[in-house]
Amino acid sequence: GQNIDQPTEMTATEGAIVQINCTYQTSGFNGLFWYQQHAGEAPTFLSYNVLDGLEEKGRFSSFLSRSKGYSYLLLKELQMKDSASYLCAVLDSNYQLIWGAGTKLIIKP
Amino acid sequence: NAGVTQTPKFRVLKTGQSMTLLCAQDMNHEYMYWYRQDPGMGLRLIHYSVGEGTTAKGEVPDGYNVSRLKKQNFLLGLESAAPSQTSVYFCASSYSGSGGQPQHFGDGTRLSIL
Repeated sequence: GQNIDQPTEMTATEGAIVQINCTYQTSGFNGLFWYQQHAGEAPTFLSYNVLDGLEEKGRFSSFLSRSKGYSYLLLKELQMKDSASYLCAVLDSNYQLIWGAGTKLIIKP
Repeated sequence: NAGVTQTPKFRVLKTGQSMTLLCAQDMNHEYMYWYRQDPGMGLRLIHYSVGEGTTAKGEVPDGYNVSRLKKQNFLLGLESAAPSQTSVYFCASSYSGSGGQPQHFGDGTRLSIL
């Protein structure tokens, strides 16, 4: 079966750095997405990785290792508004997105 | 600049009732999707469409039907609502299904079945 694992919940301090991990086992791989979802709102696109390595976009970076079936989202200089759930999703061999359950990130002052 | 619009935003139904959820997008996207989101689970694909007049089943299609008569609209129908269909429903659209084209989501419909 297809499976995406991410921690259920993480806590970090305002101004700090946090890394949210995602491991996947899917039938084929055509890219990995990270989305942010604030409580009661729609998911919004953060990043896309299809090749190994690090993609940096402002305070957010995303890393991919296809051989290890592993990705992480790195958030720097955390702000209170970063409190949200972060969803990892893999595009499988049929070009369908398989979603993880999401990691709820709590930022404390 | 509406993006993806879902109606209604909230609805309470009784078991056995039927209803239709409407999704409209103004980005001229070919692909449209209906997901449900339940606590502790990832988004699960119900049905999707790769263009006007086409529909296909996703991971959890039972109890739902869809139609895409116009490119900008994607309707999700519940034929006979059951308590197990209590969920938050999200519609999404994308330019294509491949590559790095992200899906754009509506604000969701919160549906309770009593």
